[in-house]
Amino acid sequence: GNSVTQMEGPVTLSEEAFLTINCTYTATGYPSLFWYVQYPGEGLQLLLKATKADDKGSNKGFEATYRKETTSFHLEKGSVQVSDSAVYFCALSSVHSGGSNYKLTFGKGTLLTVNP
Amino acid sequence: GAVVSQHPSRVICKSGTSVKIECRSLDFQATTMFWYRQFPKQSLMLMATSNEGSKATYEQGVEKDKFLINHASLTLSTLTVTSAHPEDSSFYICSARAGHSTGELFFGEGSRLTVL
Repeated sequence: GNSVTQMEGPVTLSEEAFLTINCTYTATGYPSLFWYVQYPGEGLQLLLKATKADDKGSNKGFEATYRKETTSFHLEKGSVQVSDSAVYFCALSSVHSGGSNYKLTFGKGTLLTVNP
Repeated sequence: GAVVSQHPSRVICKSGTSVKIECRSLDFQATTMFWYRQFPKQSLMLMATSNEGSKATYEQGVEKDKFLINHASLTLSTLTVTSAHPEDSSFYICSARAGHSTGELFFGEGSRLTVL
């Protein structure tokens, strides 16, 4: 079955530091890959996505590249801000799930804290 | 983006009672809603998928008689935890999808259930 493994947290960085959160996956077929972010007290929000190999998703300064050869989708940001403090979830969906049972498989989440 | 709201955000109940959690899509019609459960430091585990007007599809290992899901309208799904026990204490999150099968998922803020 599908699975997602992401870096254990918590991760604590100073403002303007470089961020990497590793994510690897196991899936059949050709999954789409996602990063979701959950700010304190809020629901999960889609941060970025990539639907095929070598695609790069980007949003709000965050980037992740779909690497089929290494089955990875690592999240990066060149200079983090205090407002980036949140829990980040890597997730995948199988293209072949289809129909009304389109499902996401999540990693455990990584808590990021950015200090001023 | 679209808004999904859950209520209540926190609930404490006595063992043996039943608790209902509501999930509403506020500005779109949700053809499909998903219910997840999240344990501390664990990933989100899909419990069931509900389509408006039909019975929910439960994941393996989820007791459908214990976790009753109703999706009576295109903007409301409810999860009822029946005869709750302390081991049912958890964070429950719903998500909703509008339109076609690969449409973006929007997540609620989550509901924390504590069973005494």
